[in-house]
Amino acid sequence: AQSVTQLDSQVPVFEEAPVELRCNYSSSVSVYLFWYVQYPNQGLQLLLKYLSGSTLVKGINGFEAEFNKSQTSFHLRKPSVHISDTAEYFCAVKGRRGGADGLTFGKGTHLIIQP
Amino acid sequence: EAGVAQSPRYKIIEKRQSVAFWCNPISGHATLYWYQQILGQGPKLLIQFQNNGVVDDSQLPKDRFSAERLKGVDSTLKIQPAKLEDSAVYLCASGNSVSGNTIYFGEGSWLTVV
Repeated sequence: AQSVTQLDSQVPVFEEAPVELRCNYSSSVSVYLFWYVQYPNQGLQLLLKYLSGSTLVKGINGFEAEFNKSQTSFHLRKPSVHISDTAEYFCAVKGRRGGADGLTFGKGTHLIIQP
Repeated sequence: EAGVAQSPRYKIIEKRQSVAFWCNPISGHATLYWYQQILGQGPKLLIQFQNNGVVDDSQLPKDRFSAERLKGVDSTLKIQPAKLEDSAVYLCASGNSVSGNTIYFGEGSWLTVV
């Protein structure tokens, strides 16, 4: 079984400032890691994913995340945010084994960009 | 490439009524998922299909929820009878090994039970 903890329910930040959204996970098996974004009244859109290889992964819209196995973390970062980044961000994990491999999500972090 | 299609987008029903949601996954995706997202929370997996077989339905409230994927393509999720706490967004998603373990989501079906 897996679980995901997103440490901040809301993160306010000024436009053009850097931001970090924190994510920690727990799992008894190896996992794949994902960040999804959800804009108001829309479904989930994949931002980036870590499957293997380099622990620093780059995604869409200038976001990146770093996988830290020892700390079981997968924090999301952006060096300079824009008003359009206002949205709900979800961290998720998926077991590497086949079979029942649905995503387990955190509760989400609401990113609020202030002008 | 067309994405995951869901309908209806919005539905308002009274408690104890029934409702059905439809999902058509991305063409060729063998795995289909239904998630429930209650306001202010992350999505929770209800059921996972591999082709037309159920892989995981451990979190599906089987006394009132049912789902099927008869021909291994599109799927229907039904709630009968609905309760107030079923008010949520129902997200359908699909994926396969070719998609690199990525799961793609539809826009969701928003249910309000009054």
